[in-house]
Amino acid sequence: EAGVAQSPRYKIIEKRQSVAFWCNPISGHATLYWYQQILGQGPKLLIQFQNNGVVDDSQLPKDRFSAERLKGVDSTLKIQPAKLEDSAVYLCASRVEPGRRADTQYFGPGTRLTVL
Amino acid sequence: GDSVTQMEGPVTLSEEAFLTINCTYTATGYPSLFWYVQYPGEGLQLLLKATKADDKGSNKGFEATYRKETTSFHLEKGSVQVSDSAVYFCALSDRTNSGYALNFGKGTSLLVTP
Repeated sequence: EAGVAQSPRYKIIEKRQSVAFWCNPISGHATLYWYQQILGQGPKLLIQFQNNGVVDDSQLPKDRFSAERLKGVDSTLKIQPAKLEDSAVYLCASRVEPGRRADTQYFGPGTRLTVL
Repeated sequence: GDSVTQMEGPVTLSEEAFLTINCTYTATGYPSLFWYVQYPGEGLQLLLKATKADDKGSNKGFEATYRKETTSFHLEKGSVQVSDSAVYFCALSDRTNSGYALNFGKGTSLLVTP
């Protein structure tokens, strides 16, 4: 079974530029998450999708971050304009469904963003 | 809100030493608990999990027991190997608006030397 795919793996941009990340979850997984992992910290939830609908974006900085999941499969996360503090690894994860607390989340390899 | 606290790293051990990484949590509900591992250059992988009090999760020689009375989920391994060098994250399942997401600790870096 293929895992969660993410691209690009690395991205370097200047502040105030825009950037987009792509995620393809495990086939059949209804729930998709984006996490932000700043160096030296644990991942922090940014947004959660159920199929193609947003179910939790309470921690997403909506003035600069946006995300979508068209057709309930692939997802993109965009930052516009980027700030220095956005330098982090952006992790995508998926699970079969959102409603069971013990279900495993499967993570992609992440995209390492450096904002100069 | 719910939170997870892990011991600070880095932890440096010699091969075959005993490992303990402490993890405690605060939660209003009754979460499931997880240990994830991140090897250099790779994504997060589930190491083990436990869903209720006194459950013991185990995998690859690692163990952790869900202790509700002490709100702890300490990770242990009897004899570490160089290949265990990685960052270990303790996490709990946190309720979101619809379903669950993971709430992580800061991670503990482990370096095992030959």
